[in-house]
Amino acid sequence: KAGVTQTPRYLIKTRGQQVTLSCSPISGHRSVSWYQQTPGQGLQFLFEYFSETQRNKGNFPGRFSGRQFSNSRSEMNVSTLELGDSALYLCASRRAGGSYGYTFGSGTRLTVV
Amino acid sequence: AQKITQTQPGMFVQEKEAVTLDCTYDTSDQSYGLFWYKQPSSGEMIFLIYQGSYDEQNATEGRYSLNFQKARKSANLVISASQLGDSAMYFCAMSLLPRSNDYKLSFGAGTTVTVRA
Repeated sequence: KAGVTQTPRYLIKTRGQQVTLSCSPISGHRSVSWYQQTPGQGLQFLFEYFSETQRNKGNFPGRFSGRQFSNSRSEMNVSTLELGDSALYLCASRRAGGSYGYTFGSGTRLTVV
Repeated sequence: AQKITQTQPGMFVQEKEAVTLDCTYDTSDQSYGLFWYKQPSSGEMIFLIYQGSYDEQNATEGRYSLNFQKARKSANLVISASQLGDSAMYFCAMSLLPRSNDYKLSFGAGTTVTVRA
């Protein structure tokens, strides 16, 4: 069965631009979460979506936003990019109820220059 | 808020030997789950093992076992018979259980494990 798919794998953007990252969860998984990983801050929770609704949000500025579609696919958007937004962005999906396991994708490595 | 502490930034282990990675956590909730993930240089986070706060038995998954000491709030990972492919970063993480609707994972800083031949 297909895992969590994140696209693109690598991205280089210029300061001030905006970027959209995509995440396709495992079939049947309705919850999608996003995490930012940097050497300095480690892994930090961005937000979580369930059935197209944002259910939980981390401590990030409003430049970071996301959405979830009816097929559970999710996108996150970062506007007005800053150098500090350079990071590995990881998406995780989980099945609602029962299993507590989170399955992660391979991530999108964003470099802001 | 939940806090996860991993005090070992890096460890070396000889192939075929066992290694223990330390993890302590802090939460005021009684219902929570503890996870260990492996992150190779490729970046993907690979789920290794899960322990629920109400589970009385320590979790085991193949060569991985979790030494859960609830009173001490520790959840150490033991990797037995280390292999070269075990070289990676290992993260301890915690989430409150679904009843709270707070599904986010809180991660420790990670421990880099290098297996020597």
